[in-house]
Amino acid sequence: GAGVSQSPRYKVTKRGQDVALRCDPISGHVSLYWYRQALGQGPEFLTYFNYEAQQDKSGLPNDRFSAERPEGSISTLTIQRTEQRDSAMYRCASSANRVYEQYFGPGTRLTVT
Amino acid sequence: DAKTTQPNSMESNEEEPVHLPCNHSTISGTDYIHWYRQLPSQGPEYVIHGLTSNVNNRMASLAIAEDRKSSTLILHRATLRDAAVYYCILRDVYSGGSNYKLTFGKGTLLTVNP
Repeated sequence: GAGVSQSPRYKVTKRGQDVALRCDPISGHVSLYWYRQALGQGPEFLTYFNYEAQQDKSGLPNDRFSAERPEGSISTLTIQRTEQRDSAMYRCASSANRVYEQYFGPGTRLTVT
Repeated sequence: DAKTTQPNSMESNEEEPVHLPCNHSTISGTDYIHWYRQLPSQGPEYVIHGLTSNVNNRMASLAIAEDRKSSTLILHRATLRDAAVYYCILRDVYSGGSNYKLTFGKGTLLTVNP
């Protein structure tokens, strides 16, 4: 079946612009996660959804970052007023429930110039 | 969260077995040991997990020490496609709290020589 998909795969934006990153999880997966990965590092947790409810946003770096999953399926991670330090790979993952194995998407490579 | 310690890198030859170690001396009784790997330019993928007993699946085997303070991921015959970063992660799946999140360390970079 289809895996987790993310779009766009690459995004180059100018500092100060807003960006929206999309994640389409595996059908039926109730749990959805966003991670950020710097070069040479493991992914770092950003936020977690159970169905449409955002149950943990403790990993979001600051209030410029927000995420939503309004219908319990597709999720959007939005970064407002982007800064160069936001440049990273943003990865989405989904799982059948909160403790099952997570399936990761290919990621969105964000570059802020 | 209980921490894990892995070697930064390891090297293997193709078609030979590979033993990837992980130390987790502060593991709690309800922590499962999970392994994920990340192939170049891809997202992490689940490999295997276990609690106390050794586990086998189509990808690998997991050997867990009797005191659970260490574990070893075993690839029985390494192929070039197994070249990846391997992450050992502890997850407490019984308690509530933040057991949904995966806490990745730096992992072990496995190089497979032809």
